[in-house]
Amino acid sequence: GAVVSQHPSWVICKSGTSVKIECRSLDFQATTMFWYRQFPKQSLMLMATSNEGSKATYEQGVEKDKFLINHASLTLSTLTVTSAHPEDSSFYICSASGLAGAGTDTQYFGPGTRLTVL
Amino acid sequence: DQQVKQNSPSLSVQEGRISILNCDYTNSMFDYFLWYKKYPAEGPTFLISISSIKDKNEDGRFTVFLNKSAKHLSLHIVPSQPGDSAVYFCALRRGGSEKLVFGKGTKLTVNP
Repeated sequence: GAVVSQHPSWVICKSGTSVKIECRSLDFQATTMFWYRQFPKQSLMLMATSNEGSKATYEQGVEKDKFLINHASLTLSTLTVTSAHPEDSSFYICSASGLAGAGTDTQYFGPGTRLTVL
Repeated sequence: DQQVKQNSPSLSVQEGRISILNCDYTNSMFDYFLWYKKYPAEGPTFLISISSIKDKNEDGRFTVFLNKSAKHLSLHIVPSQPGDSAVYFCALRRGGSEKLVFGKGTKLTVNP
């Protein structure tokens, strides 16, 4: 099956610093990657959609200058939380799609990254 | 305004019995309805889906029912097993779009 990894699995940083999270599709080429954020007891909220080689499309209310997304290759997308603040503390999950022949279940999720901003 | 609602945050079921997880939605434009299962510290994994042209889809112990007029779908697990204990999310998407809209999830606990 399709495997998506994320690194790091958890990170603690000081307020004002930037944090980079990597999302990799290990055994398939991901034409599209998605970044989600999940607050405790809430649903996964889509932040942005990125296609390889083009700019990410951000959902309404998500600051593109704060959450920088780069999808430079078909197997790697990165999310950089710039000038992080405590309210950015959350669980960030990526997913990838692009597996040939897949049906409606084409998004494969990474294990997530727990970000804590002190 | 929440488009997808899972009104039960938790559900506890005895092993061997049926688990029924519910999901309601407000927008009739959705075409595909998916269920994901999530264990702690892991990402969601796809479980089963149904398209809007069907009202039932079965895969082993898992069956998803769709009632379009009521904008309601449900996931039945029978017989329930302790390994089914996880958080279950329903996720909806429109045809032609890959965007998924998730519910808040229901934590299922299957007791031995």
